[in-house]
Amino acid sequence: AQSVTQPDIHITVSEGASLELRCNYSYGATPYLFWYVQSPGQGLQLLLKYFSGDTLVQGIKGFEAEFKRSQSSFNLRKPSVHWSDAAEYFCAVASNTNAGKSTFGDGTTLTVKP
Amino acid sequence: GAVVSQHPSRVICKSGTSVKIECRSLDFQATTMFWYRQFPKQSLMLMATSNEGSKATYEQGVEKDKFLINHASLTLSTLTVTSAHPEDSSFYICSATGTGSPDQPQHFGDGTRLSIL
Repeated sequence: AQSVTQPDIHITVSEGASLELRCNYSYGATPYLFWYVQSPGQGLQLLLKYFSGDTLVQGIKGFEAEFKRSQSSFNLRKPSVHWSDAAEYFCAVASNTNAGKSTFGDGTTLTVKP
Repeated sequence: GAVVSQHPSRVICKSGTSVKIECRSLDFQATTMFWYRQFPKQSLMLMATSNEGSKATYEQGVEKDKFLINHASLTLSTLTVTSAHPEDSSFYICSATGTGSPDQPQHFGDGTRLSIL
């Protein structure tokens, strides 16, 4: 069974600073990987996904993530954070036979300082 | 993009009441829908997977008689919390995937905040 770990429960960055949110996964083969963002009281919005091909994936809102097989990681990055990026971020992993059923990490709360 | 509508967004009711939550895919056919429960400051916990026309598959520890799931069409799944009690208060989120290839990602509804008094 697949699993995913987000080591950082809470991260605080200054507006305009760069951001990296960590995600490590466990899966026997190449997984499908996702990053979602959730604002308070809302559902999840897909930021980006990796299925195959180029290991650097571009997403919405200026986010990108890099799949590193050797490190079993899929870290999310953004070069310059905006105050509106403050939210909860979830990394998720799914098997390569059923991307519809994902296992989620515990999430990272991002706080943006003015 | 694909849109999933979840209704109601918030419900407050008395203990012992049954509550129905609807999840609709508005612009695609959803062969599979997922129901999640999320406690404050926690991740999503998968409750069950429903496939159109079949019985739902429940995750371990989820009471199927407590959380009734119906997926009668390719655009609608419902979750009914029967005889709800305060401990059932939570944020419930549905998601749906479309037909076709296995790399169909999930599309999430905006969630339902359930509060049982």
